[in-house]
Amino acid sequence: EVQLVQSGAEVKKPGDSLKISCKTSGYGFPSFWIAWVRQLPGKGLEWMGVIYPDDSDTRYSPSFQGQVVISVDKSISTAYLQWSSLKASDSAIYYCARSKLWFDYWGHGTLVTVSS
Amino acid sequence: QSALTQPPSVSAAPGQMVTISCSGSSSNVGNNYVSWYQQLPGTVPKLFIYDNNKRPSGIPDRVSGSKSGTSATLGITGLQTGDEADYYCGAWDSSLSVYVFGTGTKVTVL
Repeated sequence: EVQLVQSGAEVKKPGDSLKISCKTSGYGFPSFWIAWVRQLPGKGLEWMGVIYPDDSDTRYSPSFQGQVVISVDKSISTAYLQWSSLKASDSAIYYCARSKLWFDYWGHGTLVTVSS
Repeated sequence: QSALTQPPSVSAAPGQMVTISCSGSSSNVGNNYVSWYQQLPGTVPKLFIYDNNKRPSGIPDRVSGSKSGTSATLGITGLQTGDEADYYCGAWDSSLSVYVFGTGTKVTVL
């Protein structure tokens, strides 16, 4: 069974750093792109970027380029999304999803709250 | 990146049909596969249609997808209260090298 299990909710202050995770199982992790998708409170879905675990080829949406870093650890079949300096506007739910030309399996989401 | 355009909301009575449009351009909907996602209230998005018109396992055949030119359409017949959700289309944009989602449509069963 394919599973994407994300790390738990986070409460941070502006300026804090953060790294959230997406641990996968049940399929060949290196061979499928993993995407990150943001959903602001009460808003729609936004594609942030995608990574190919086998060679760490990474593509970012221009809206998120330079704001976040997507990475993987192949040895533990886990993808990551990280910020070096959070802003209040980063408060959202972040989903990882297995990516082909569509997203067939999704993590449960990580709620990130940034507040002073 | 610009989102694909969907109507904010559609509604119909139980048993009726709804259609949701998704309008894009030649660089996304027009030349790439469209997928659709259902997000029930408070839950994770779920793949609903892929490759323009294919249904994943578990999605009933009263759900359909189609594409013509730079627009795609999701149809749900025999509407049920359990279909109340937000629906998003999406497609890769070859010019921008990004994936673009639609603006989302809320389906209400009257």
